[in-house]
Amino acid sequence: DTAVSQTPKYLVTQMGNDKSIKCEQNLGHDTMYWYKQDSKKFLKIMFSYNNKELIINETVPNRFSPKSPDKAHLNLHINSLELGDSAVYFCASSQDGGGPISSDTQYFGPGTRLTVL
Amino acid sequence: AQTVTQSQPEMSVQEAETVTLSCTYDTSENNYYLFWYKQPPSRQMILVIRQEAYKQQNATENRFSVNFQKAAKSFSLKISDSQLGDTAMYFCAFMKHYGGATNKLIFGTGTLLAVQP
Repeated sequence: DTAVSQTPKYLVTQMGNDKSIKCEQNLGHDTMYWYKQDSKKFLKIMFSYNNKELIINETVPNRFSPKSPDKAHLNLHINSLELGDSAVYFCASSQDGGGPISSDTQYFGPGTRLTVL
Repeated sequence: AQTVTQSQPEMSVQEAETVTLSCTYDTSENNYYLFWYKQPPSRQMILVIRQEAYKQQNATENRFSVNFQKAAKSFSLKISDSQLGDTAMYFCAFMKHYGGATNKLIFGTGTLLAVQP
């Protein structure tokens, strides 16, 4: 009955490779996010999708491409991996309240630790 | 741009005692939300408590409470009767409305709390 799940939990790969991280939520939420947590534990938004539409793209290199096949899934594909891409990537989801400001909370997945060698 | 500052990189408390974690933020918004998330060694991001800026009453969740000072832009977390399981990194976060239907969390740099037996 996991609310937000991510696969894989750990990913070790060589520089220059292409890899994907998958995220699924079973909360019925219509908004999903990707956050990156760097080696100093700082968390920053990368992308958000609302009903399969890209809403936020926070100056992320275009080697990163999110894809949302439906509103329960948001995958992250990374091309030509670089050493600096090593981080923990978190998926999150929320239900938009639809008003001037959404009151709903973002629920996070367990994170994917990506190590680029 | 909104910023969130946590000035205490590390704190320590004895089991059963009370500890307060500090957070300040900067924004020109009038309506927003503030959160405390906890990240234990398992890496999972867990919501601890949420505060709506338009509410004067401070939020409480069991042993966790906040001191929200809107004019001072301060949002501290008090943990009463600290337990070993409270050992974690604590992140303060601000929710900005990003136009449309999607919000993003802006995180502080975190405070690593160690509860000592």
